[in-house]
Amino acid sequence: GENVEQHPSTLSVQEGDSAVIKCTYSDSASNYFPWYKQELGKRPQLIIDIRSNVGEKKDQRIAVTLNKTAKHFSLHITETQPEDSAVYFCAASKNDYKLSFGAGTTVTVRA
Amino acid sequence: EPEVTQTPSHQVTQMGQEVILRCVPISNHLYFYWYRQILGQKVEFLVSFYNNEISEKSEIFDDQFSVERPDGSNFTLKIRSTKLEDSAMYFCASRGVGETQYFGPGTRLLVL
Repeated sequence: GENVEQHPSTLSVQEGDSAVIKCTYSDSASNYFPWYKQELGKRPQLIIDIRSNVGEKKDQRIAVTLNKTAKHFSLHITETQPEDSAVYFCAASKNDYKLSFGAGTTVTVRA
Repeated sequence: EPEVTQTPSHQVTQMGQEVILRCVPISNHLYFYWYRQILGQKVEFLVSFYNNEISEKSEIFDDQFSVERPDGSNFTLKIRSTKLEDSAMYFCASRGVGETQYFGPGTRLLVL
């Protein structure tokens, strides 16, 4: 089955700096890659996603890049703010939409 | 904005007891999922459900687990005889015709 690896497990950044989280996947048939943000005690919420026919997608301060050849994708958060502090999960799926998650990255934005 | 809801938020049970976790998916969604997250580990897929039947299940979803959509709104996960290792956060998710899965707030299950 699909195996998604996520790094780093924790990330501390100064407010205003950028944060980058990287994921790799094993199944070349995976074609949908969402990113979820989970604040403490709350549900995972989709923040951005990308399909395999696109190399990059951006939404305000958040961007995701995908390298199908290398089977890795990354989340970039620019101009980080304290409210960006949360756990971020990457995931991958094929057409069945069953999500295989990474282990999560705890992001702390220092004021 | 519609949200997936789950009840209860916390459940404590004795080993060997049956538990039923309940979910109300977003009303016009057609695809339903259960995931679980053992403390400190990654979120794991359990089962997907569409058109009143299981579409796919993981190795975790053994004979002790079952799912049901008893009416037009609820989607339940039953664990017949709980084990200590079933202690986890259980998330329900639903999806419409698009790709996005919307997650519920989770039920934290503790088996003693």
